[in-house]
Amino acid sequence: EAQVTQNPRYLITVTGKKLTVTCSQNMNHEYMSWYRQDPGLGLRQIYYSMNVEVTDKGDVPEGYKVSRKEKRNFPLILESPSPNQTSLYFCASSLSPSTDTQYFGPGTRLTVL
Amino acid sequence: GQNIDQPTEMTATEGAIVQINCTYQTSGFNGLFWYQQHAGEAPTFLSYNVLDGLEEKGRFSSFLSRSKGYSYLLLKELQMKDSASYLCAVPLSGGYNKLIFGAGTRLAVHP
Repeated sequence: EAQVTQNPRYLITVTGKKLTVTCSQNMNHEYMSWYRQDPGLGLRQIYYSMNVEVTDKGDVPEGYKVSRKEKRNFPLILESPSPNQTSLYFCASSLSPSTDTQYFGPGTRLTVL
Repeated sequence: GQNIDQPTEMTATEGAIVQINCTYQTSGFNGLFWYQQHAGEAPTFLSYNVLDGLEEKGRFSSFLSRSKGYSYLLLKELQMKDSASYLCAVPLSGGYNKLIFGAGTRLAVHP
């Protein structure tokens, strides 16, 4: 089954404790991205990757890091989480960002205390 | 820059028709997407328009007018399960590899 998986689905952590949210897709998509979704603000892109070892900043990259060592995986790293990073996070993949459907993972609800 | 506007909330009655509007401002145009998102779930693809006109897909249709920077999503024979947020999204032009989403329209369908 074609899918994007994320782990964990729910996470409560404390300020400053490094965490990683994993994302994996099995559709051989070249394009992957991370979004955060906050009430009233919609989906905002954090980082995206056009292919292995190619990543770039989205609209809200501060406080986040990503890596793309393999085509299927695109982890999101919060080196020192802060309460303003409490949000719902989605990973997505597609063949291209402009003309193709984005397939979204199920989401990770993160709370930083 | 790019800007996308959608109404924040709408309500409708089961069995009725509802139209959700989206206006956008872009320096170029590469198409427009509509996604559906149920509360707490991932967005799922509904439609993609790149040419002017209406595209029908079952109970859902999407319309685009490039000259007016305007699109709408038309939902017919509304069902309770259509209660969700509807997101309008436009690819950023100028060689950027990004998709810009509107804040979404939350639709509540009542019996």
